[in-house]
Amino acid sequence: DAGVIQSPRHEVTEMGQEVTLRCKPISGHDYLFWYRQTMMRGLELLIYFNNNVPIDDSGMPEDRFSAKMPNASFSTLKIQPSEPRDSAVYFCASSLEGEGNQPQHFGDGTRLSIL
Amino acid sequence: SQKIEQNSEALNIQEGKTATLTCNYTNYSPAYLQWYRQDPGRGPVFLLLIRENEKEKRKERLKVTFDTTLKQSLFHITASQPADSATYLCAPVSGSARQLTFGSGTQLTVLP
Repeated sequence: DAGVIQSPRHEVTEMGQEVTLRCKPISGHDYLFWYRQTMMRGLELLIYFNNNVPIDDSGMPEDRFSAKMPNASFSTLKIQPSEPRDSAVYFCASSLEGEGNQPQHFGDGTRLSIL
Repeated sequence: SQKIEQNSEALNIQEGKTATLTCNYTNYSPAYLQWYRQDPGRGPVFLLLIRENEKEKRKERLKVTFDTTLKQSLFHITASQPADSATYLCAPVSGSARQLTFGSGTQLTVLP
């Protein structure tokens, strides 16, 4: 079975550039989550969607970050303009409908480096 | 504010011994608690879920306990193997929540 697919796996770009991270969730999953992981702050939730609708974006650090889910099989996380402090590993995860008893399935992440 | 603490950032044990990892939480009343494993360069992988009304849950060499009075979950790996070396993350979850808040993780190294 195909898991959650993220692209690119690695991205290196210069400060000020626009960065777009992509995610394909597991087919049939109703929820999609974007996380950021750093050594200092651990794994933090940025935003999550239910049936393509953003439900909670309180974790998005600032207006430079935006996320969309145009359909059930695709989501993007965009940073514009990017800054060195945005360097981190960004994960996408998906899960079935349900409460906290549903496990989340993670992709292998995008390692982002902003120079 | 809600807080999740996992014991010592790193834990080293000898192969064959039992590893015990701790997850303590405050200002939470979780209905569930999830445990994940994360290998370097990979995303977290779900291992086990335990409900608030369950004292213990087992899966092969893994055992999880959940004490809502102590606000603590313990994660045990029996007969540990070098392949068990990874970072383990806990996530207490409120009943109505869909999102997860993770602890900082415990890096386990099983020495041959």
